[in-house]
Amino acid sequence: EAQVTQNPRYLITVTGKKLTVTCSQNMNHEYMSWYRQDPGLGLRQIYYSMNVEVTDKGDVPEGYKVSRKEKRNFPLILESPSPNQTSLYFCASNHRANTEAFFGQGTRLTVV
Amino acid sequence: AQSVTQLGSHVSVSEGALVLLRCNYSSSVPPYLFWYVQYPNQGLQLLLKYTSAATLVKGINGFEAEFKKSETSFHLTKPSAHMSDAAEYFCAVSEPSGGGADGLTFGKGTHLIIQP
Repeated sequence: EAQVTQNPRYLITVTGKKLTVTCSQNMNHEYMSWYRQDPGLGLRQIYYSMNVEVTDKGDVPEGYKVSRKEKRNFPLILESPSPNQTSLYFCASNHRANTEAFFGQGTRLTVV
Repeated sequence: AQSVTQLGSHVSVSEGALVLLRCNYSSSVPPYLFWYVQYPNQGLQLLLKYTSAATLVKGINGFEAEFKKSETSFHLTKPSAHMSDAAEYFCAVSEPSGGGADGLTFGKGTHLIIQP
């Protein structure tokens, strides 16, 4: 089954404690991206990757890092989380940047 | 640069009534357009997409949308609302010939409420 898998689904952490949210897709897609969803703001792109070892900032990259060492994986790293990063995060993959996006189930992150 | 405006953060309709969710876009080139649905505690699921073929696009669950270039609109409709349609709906745009890496740009979403 074609899917995007994110882990964990829920995470509560403390300010400053590094964390990683994993994302994996099994569709051999070139393009992957991370979004955060906040009430009234919709989905905002954090980072995207056009292919292996090619990543770039989206609209709200501050406080986040990503890597793309393999085509299927695109982890999101928060080196020093802060409460304003409390949000719902989605990973997505596309065959190409402008084609339909396939989304993971989401990760609800709370930073206290 | 591309952008999407969804009119109405909340729309309430009665069960059995027409559903109309509005989406207007801005794009420097002929766009691709998408509607996604998000049910509670789930990810986004594609409802339908316009990729420069027929201007009236049919999607899943009885939804359809019409691309109107002159109005820069891509409104989502369903003739008869069902309780299970209650969800958040997102319109999105991309630029197929722009060559950029921006991916899809999403609107802020419309929460559809179905009254019994």
